[in-house]
Amino acid sequence: QVQLQESGPGLVKPSQTLSLTCTVSGGSISSGGYYWSWIRQHPGKGLEWIGYIYYSGSTYYNPSLKSRVTISVDTSKNQFSLKLSSVTAADTAVYYCARGVLGSGWPLFDYWGQGTLVTVSS
Amino acid sequence: AIRITQSPSSLSASTGDRVTITCRASQGISSYLAWYQQKPGKAPKLLIYAASTLQSGVPSRFSGSGSGTDFTLTISCLQSEDFATYYCQQYYSYPLTFGGGTKVEIK
Repeated sequence: QVQLQESGPGLVKPSQTLSLTCTVSGGSISSGGYYWSWIRQHPGKGLEWIGYIYYSGSTYYNPSLKSRVTISVDTSKNQFSLKLSSVTAADTAVYYCARGVLGSGWPLFDYWGQGTLVTVSS
Repeated sequence: AIRITQSPSSLSASTGDRVTITCRASQGISSYLAWYQQKPGKAPKLLIYAASTLQSGVPSRFSGSGSGTDFTLTISCLQSEDFATYYCQQYYSYPLTFGGGTKVEIK
């Protein structure tokens, strides 16, 4: 059974960089076939796809966040990470990591982490 | 980006009711639509993909239909554990987008 767990600071100051890590257990990121993703949910709101990375390092980002987002992978630790720069209060959200499986040319999400709330405030 | 409009945004129903939720895409997405269930404080759970294929372990009272731009999630006989918020997601094109959600509440 695949499990994902987010970790990182719950509080980030405005203009700084939000950094989160997702640790995957029960399966290897480097086995391929999956798209390791970040999705966020603003308080009381819907879901927003941030981006994903393949084990090879290839990435796709949501154009709305692309200029500020970096997703990286560390296959030796079976982890992938999110960095979101120049954060504002609008980036306050619950951040989920998820495993993407190809449904067509693009993934849907079959396993999710529990989510971690990141608040942007001074 | 493809916009997904979900309706209603909320509904009240009783245990045993038949419930229908709709998603409409701003352009055709074939059958590349998934449905998720989210309970308060929890991560979304995949229910249905390819518009109508039930994810393993999901009860058969859940069903999905549609193709092109119009899709439906039906819960045939609402159970207490089904009170939650439901989201649809298109995976036809980049960027991936979700509907705004439908909250199913107890009447």
